[in-house]
Amino acid sequence: NAGVTQTPKFQVLKTGQSMTLQCAQDMNHNSMYWYRQDPGMGLRLIYYSASEGTTDKGEVPNGYNVSRLNKREFSLRLESAAPSQTSVYFCASTLGEAFFGQGTRLTVV
Amino acid sequence: GEDVEQSLFLSVREGDSSVINCTYTDSSSTYLYWYKQEPGAGLQLLTYIFSNMDMKQDQRLTVLLNKKDKHLSLRIADTQTGDSAIYFCALAGGTSYGKLTFGQGTILTVHP
Repeated sequence: NAGVTQTPKFQVLKTGQSMTLQCAQDMNHNSMYWYRQDPGMGLRLIYYSASEGTTDKGEVPNGYNVSRLNKREFSLRLESAAPSQTSVYFCASTLGEAFFGQGTRLTVV
Repeated sequence: GEDVEQSLFLSVREGDSSVINCTYTDSSSTYLYWYKQEPGAGLQLLTYIFSNMDMKQDQRLTVLLNKKDKHLSLRIADTQTGDSAIYFCALAGGTSYGKLTFGQGTILTVHP
């Protein structure tokens, strides 16, 4: 039982490059989330998916897109990375209890 | 939307009790969580409480929920230096169904 798995763990991008952060959970949870964490800012919700087939914007959705591919997987895409998107990204899933992945440290240069 | 507020800093001596507080606006929240984050690490779920409970105890941790005042607290008994970390409260359910909203985190520093 792996819980919530995020890939990659680290990534460096050049400004303008694109990438997709992957997240998968094996707990049969309905709701999945993407957060970014910046120093002194706590966790800010980017997008969430309350159930398979639905996605909704959080506090800071600009510059991101998401796909809820199936119940297990929820991916986050940066189409054209900007230095302001340098952050630590966390995926989470909940069905009552909430669990987090280990995070992706993204640097955009 | 949901607003969740925490004090930013708490400093205690080793062996004392720590109390970390959280206030929120959505009284219909269903699940209320406490997470711990150590430097450079992910978030670790410490404990959670359902909205129909007033208290939950788990070893050194005690969660108190005052629904009338929309106040959640986490008490750590016999605080150790290994408890130094950032503690987040988070809420889910209610009018923000499907959303999991976090406070900004409380940095707990434990002095020997």
